[in-house]
Amino acid sequence: EAGVAQSPRYKIIEKRQSVAFWCNPISGHATLYWYQQILGQGPKLLIQFQNNGVVDDSQLPKDRFSAERLKGVDSTLKIQPAKLEDSAVYLCASSLGQYNEQFFGPGTRLTVL
Amino acid sequence: GDSVTQMEGPVTLSEEAFLTINCTYTATGYPSLFWYVQYPGEGLQLLLKATKADDKGSNKGFEATYRKETTSFHLEKGSVQVSDSAVYFCALSDPPTGANSKLTFGKGITLSVRP
Repeated sequence: EAGVAQSPRYKIIEKRQSVAFWCNPISGHATLYWYQQILGQGPKLLIQFQNNGVVDDSQLPKDRFSAERLKGVDSTLKIQPAKLEDSAVYLCASSLGQYNEQFFGPGTRLTVL
Repeated sequence: GDSVTQMEGPVTLSEEAFLTINCTYTATGYPSLFWYVQYPGEGLQLLLKATKADDKGSNKGFEATYRKETTSFHLEKGSVQVSDSAVYFCALSDPPTGANSKLTFGKGITLSVRP
């Protein structure tokens, strides 16, 4: 069974630029999560989707971050404009439902210069 | 709010040594507790979990017991191997079966095992 796919794996941009990350969850998984993992810290949930609807985006900095999950499958996370403090690994995870085990992708490492 | 506190790292052990990684939590309800592991270059993987007090989660020789009285979920292994070298995260889900079963993670600890 294929796991959660993410791209790109690495991205380097300058501050004030825009960047987008892509996630393809495990087939059939209705719930999709985006986490931000800053160096030396544990992952922090940014947004949770159930199919194509948002369940929780309370910790998403909505002035610069946006996410969508069109058709309830793939998802993109965008940052516009990026700040230095956005340097982190962005993890995507999926699960069958909200109460099931989450499976994580390898992450995208973002460096903002 | 909910929080998870892990012991400071990194931890370096010799092969076959005994491992303990401490984890304590703060939660408003009765959370489920998890240990996740991240091997170099890979994504987070669920290592073990416990859903109620006194439950013991176990996998790959690792064990952790849900201690409600001490709000702890310490990870142990009797004999570590080089292949156990990874970053270990303690996490909770509170409420465990609510509408928003989001995970709250600790900072993680890096374990290095020497041959």
